[in-house]
Amino acid sequence: ILNVEQSPQSLHVQEGDSTNFTCSFPSSNFYALHWYRWETAKSPEALFVMTLNGDEKKKGRISATLNTKEGYSYLYIKGSQPEDSATYLCAFNDYKLSFGAGTTVTVRA
Amino acid sequence: ETGVTQTPRHLVMGMTNKKSLKCEQHLGHNAMYWYKQSAKKPLELMFVYSLEERVENNSVPSRFSPECPNSSHLFLHLHTLQPEDSALYLCASSQDRGPDGTDTQYFGPGTRLTVL
Repeated sequence: ILNVEQSPQSLHVQEGDSTNFTCSFPSSNFYALHWYRWETAKSPEALFVMTLNGDEKKKGRISATLNTKEGYSYLYIKGSQPEDSATYLCAFNDYKLSFGAGTTVTVRA
Repeated sequence: ETGVTQTPRHLVMGMTNKKSLKCEQHLGHNAMYWYKQSAKKPLELMFVYSLEERVENNSVPSRFSPECPNSSHLFLHLHTLQPEDSALYLCASSQDRGPDGTDTQYFGPGTRLTVL
């Protein structure tokens, strides 16, 4: 079982503020890192697949960076909106996905 | 329907019951997965099927029995479960189970299982 750590476990953000959080993973045998957004009572939704040769990924106000040498990825939310409230999961892929416990983001209006 | 669907969404069962969870994917994918999420824990992979053949069994107790009759359907048969098996069970599918790890998995909404 691979150790995939996400921090913080939860955070509260004021609407309009930007925020970021971390996913740490084993730095050896890197294949890919996945980010998912999971809203309550819905299906986890794929955000990004980060690969070894990939650049920063961006989807609207959300972006992600990757450092495979030191084994971490950051997810950034710019100008948070209430609809960004969700749990954000990262998953390290070494032929099967090992998930972190997630960072739960609550955006206050 | 599109995407990945799961039924039922909620299930309450006694320890002596036998029940089944159903997953259906409408994406034309070749790989399907069962995950378990217990309270406050990360998603745990239980089973993987690729082209209807089981390729991964993550040390799951035999009271959980998967079945993949075709590439669109996946079942999880449950019998003589324990209260600690109460959890959210998620199904996912991906195009293939390629070695480069980049295939995105698409998830269903899950079945919330309570074992009394």
